[in-house]
Amino acid sequence: KNQVEQSPQSLIILEGKNCTLQCNYTVSPFSNLRWYKQDTGRGPVSLTIMTFSENTKSNGRYTATLDADTKQSSLHITASQLSDSASYICVVSAPGGGADGLTFGKGTHLIIQP
Amino acid sequence: SQTIHQWPATLVQPVGSPLSLECTVEGTSNPNLYWYRQAAGRGLQLLFYSVGIGQISSEVPQNLSASRPQDRQFILSSKKLLLSDSGFYLCAWVGGRHYNEQFFGPGTRLTVL
Repeated sequence: KNQVEQSPQSLIILEGKNCTLQCNYTVSPFSNLRWYKQDTGRGPVSLTIMTFSENTKSNGRYTATLDADTKQSSLHITASQLSDSASYICVVSAPGGGADGLTFGKGTHLIIQP
Repeated sequence: SQTIHQWPATLVQPVGSPLSLECTVEGTSNPNLYWYRQAAGRGLQLLFYSVGIGQISSEVPQNLSASRPQDRQFILSSKKLLLSDSGFYLCAWVGGRHYNEQFFGPGTRLTVL
């Protein structure tokens, strides 16, 4: 069964600090992996998308890594800001697309404290 | 540019009452559309998806139904709501450079009392 596990479930850090969120998956075969940011009460917004051949991708202060061999991904946030407080969702896609080709993690709830 | 709308933004309904949530997409044609539910502390659960007018696929058996009366309109309905239907409902469409990259709407918060 395809699964996406995210850790930690929740995280509290001080403003200005860095943090790393983890995503482990068992989805096979693999097409791409995405990280979404979801503000409270809003829809998820895509941060990064990585295919099998990509190891690192950055979007501002967000840097995602992918190790397709170990089926692990991480999202690193640098110099955190209060606006980074949100849930971060990892989504893994199987080839061929289609709605049933997506497996969602439950997300990591990140709180940035001043 | 493409935008996706959902309404209402919030809804409080009694058990047994009907439901109708609407999703519309602008700036694209013949999109694949999806309904998800996000319960507290749980991941996104795919409910329905549609690849065209009148074409609905259900992922989870339940008392909800979906319809696609127009190319860019997707409706989620129920004849009788249950307490377990409470949650955050998200509509999404597929686009972008990467196949099946999903773009989500703002969501509807449904509370069934």
